[in-house]
Amino acid sequence: EVQLLESGGGLVRPGGSLRLSCAASGFTFSGFAMSWVRQAPGKGLEWVSTVSYSGGSTYFADSVKGRFTISRDNSKNILFLQMNSLRAEDTAVYYCARRIGYVGAFDYWGQGAPVTVSS
Amino acid sequence: EILMTQSPATLSVSPGERGILSCRASQSVGSSLAWYQQKPGQAPRLLIYDASTRATGIPARFSGSGSGTEFSLTIDSLQSEDFVVYYCLQYNKWPDTFGQGTKLEIK
Repeated sequence: EVQLLESGGGLVRPGGSLRLSCAASGFTFSGFAMSWVRQAPGKGLEWVSTVSYSGGSTYFADSVKGRFTISRDNSKNILFLQMNSLRAEDTAVYYCARRIGYVGAFDYWGQGAPVTVSS
Repeated sequence: EILMTQSPATLSVSPGERGILSCRASQSVGSSLAWYQQKPGQAPRLLIYDASTRATGIPARFSGSGSGTEFSLTIDSLQSEDFVVYYCLQYNKWPDTFGQGTKLEIK
């Protein structure tokens, strides 16, 4: 059974940093591109970032480019999202998601990690 | 950035009837279109990908159609658990973009 379990969310002050982790199991982690998608309170879904199978290629939404970094440890089956210079508008539930193929739809999602940026 | 527009924002349908949700792209996305269902407090669930392919475990009463810029999700014989929010997603060009969602409510 495919499982994705996020951790690392919490309350952080504006300008602060936070690192999210996503532990994957039930599939060959190194065989799939992985992404982060977020959802602000009461709002819709927003793609944040994607990393390739090997971690060699990364992609970011303009709203987080230069502030967020995505990475993965294929030896431990973990996906990361390093978030720096956080802003109030980054407040959201952050989901990790597996992609079908390199640029396909997101087929499996974690339960989400809430991040609140507030003073 | 490709803008995805879903209509209507809210769709009122009676249980047992058919619901048809629409999604329009600001430019062609080919068949790189997915549909998601999201229940309150839960992560989205993939229903349809590549415009018309049902995801694993999704009942046959969910079907997708369309290509290019016009897409639809049809749900036959609506059941109580279907009255939630649905999103479309294009993954043809970076950045991936979602529609704003359609809330399916009981009429």
